[in-house]
Amino acid sequence: QVQLVESGGGVVQPGRSLRLSCAASGFNLSGHAMHWVRQAPGQGLEWVAVMSFDGSNNFYGASVKGRFSVSRDNSKNTLYLQMDSLRTEDTARYFCARDPGWLRYSDYFDYWGQGALVTVSS
Amino acid sequence: DIVLTQSPGTLSLSPGDRATLSCRASQYVQNNYLAWYQQKPGQSPRLLISAASTRATGISDRFNGSGSGTDFALTITRLEPEDSAVYYCQQYDISPLTFGGGTKVEI
Repeated sequence: QVQLVESGGGVVQPGRSLRLSCAASGFNLSGHAMHWVRQAPGQGLEWVAVMSFDGSNNFYGASVKGRFSVSRDNSKNTLYLQMDSLRTEDTARYFCARDPGWLRYSDYFDYWGQGALVTVSS
Repeated sequence: DIVLTQSPGTLSLSPGDRATLSCRASQYVQNNYLAWYQQKPGQSPRLLISAASTRATGISDRFNGSGSGTDFALTITRLEPEDSAVYYCQQYDISPLTFGGGTKVEI
């Protein structure tokens, strides 16, 4: 069965960096675009970023563009989110989510991980 | 950006009732590129509906999506206590992908 497991969350000071990982299993990661979606405590969902199935294209939400970057290692079935210059408003649970399209974008999310909590605080 | 406005904010109903959740877009959503998700407390979201009305694999036929253009709805029939959750709509017509603010359904 499809599983997505995030790791790497924690408490970090403003201005510092953190890298999240998303380990995928139960499907062929190399055929799917993968997204990151975040949820601030008690708030709604915000799309963060997407990486194409082959890693050739990334797109980012305005609030993280220039500070966050997505990468993937299909040989390790893992997706990454590098978060630099973190701000207090980046505090959220970060979910990785699978795009259901095969070798193309569908831009919605059919499987989600359990999320990794990132707290940005001094 | 396409802004999605969900209403009502909270819906309090009884088992067996029907729930109707609204999602209104600030501009036309082409190709009915709208999805619905259910999120229970402490859990990650679960896909219910894509393309405005196509149920995801394994989703009960009590969940029905409808609408087009700028007005969409999720109807849940024969409510069960397990349907208590927050429901989000999401448009995937235009980047950036955006979500509505959610409707909380209390049974």
